[in-house]
Amino acid sequence: DAKTTQPNSMESNEEEPVHLPCNHSTISGTDYIHWYRQLPSQGPEYVIHGLTSNVNNRMASLAIAEDRKSSTLILHRATLRDAAVYYCILRDVNKFYFGSGTKLNVKP
Amino acid sequence: EAGVVQSPRYKIIEKKQPVAFWCNPISGHNTLYWYLQNLGQGPELLIRYENEEAVDDSQLPKDRFSAERLKGVDSTLKIQPAELGDSAVYLCASSPGQKGGSTDTQYFGPGTRLTVL
Repeated sequence: DAKTTQPNSMESNEEEPVHLPCNHSTISGTDYIHWYRQLPSQGPEYVIHGLTSNVNNRMASLAIAEDRKSSTLILHRATLRDAAVYYCILRDVNKFYFGSGTKLNVKP
Repeated sequence: EAGVVQSPRYKIIEKKQPVAFWCNPISGHNTLYWYLQNLGQGPELLIRYENEEAVDDSQLPKDRFSAERLKGVDSTLKIQPAELGDSAVYLCASSPGQKGGSTDTQYFGPGTRLTVL
């Protein structure tokens, strides 16, 4: 299965942008890049996904490198409610591997 | 719309006892997943159902774990007998199961925290 590599933890100040990196050097042409986050004591929740082009939604933006071997989740203005573990996932039809994720701490 | 419902939220049992977890997915979702999450780690897939068929159970420890999804709606995951190492959070998720599953969004329940003493 294709794997992703993320920093164990990151810290941000409230109301500042946050860039969460993910490396996926073994990505295949059909793998979509998904991001989920998990708030304390909750199940994971969907954030965003993309294939080749950058994507924006109300929660975040996803920047995908041209060679697709890395991507960055961008939170434009971090809030205390964004403190969570963020998972970068490669998804093909039959596989969905979470990895350990990045724990984001947001300081007031 | 109600989300994925799981019960119980917490369960404490002694080793060698049986335990069962229940999941009710979002209405209309064809695909149902059971995950195991150990402390400090990401969820690991145990089994995936498409309607009532288990299409991926390669990571399910079949000597003690079993699952069923009768009528392709709610599902039960059972452990018998439980071992100390089974202490974890058991997550259920569902997705619409659209064609082109690579973009299918999963919706997770809150999980069941199992403690085996």
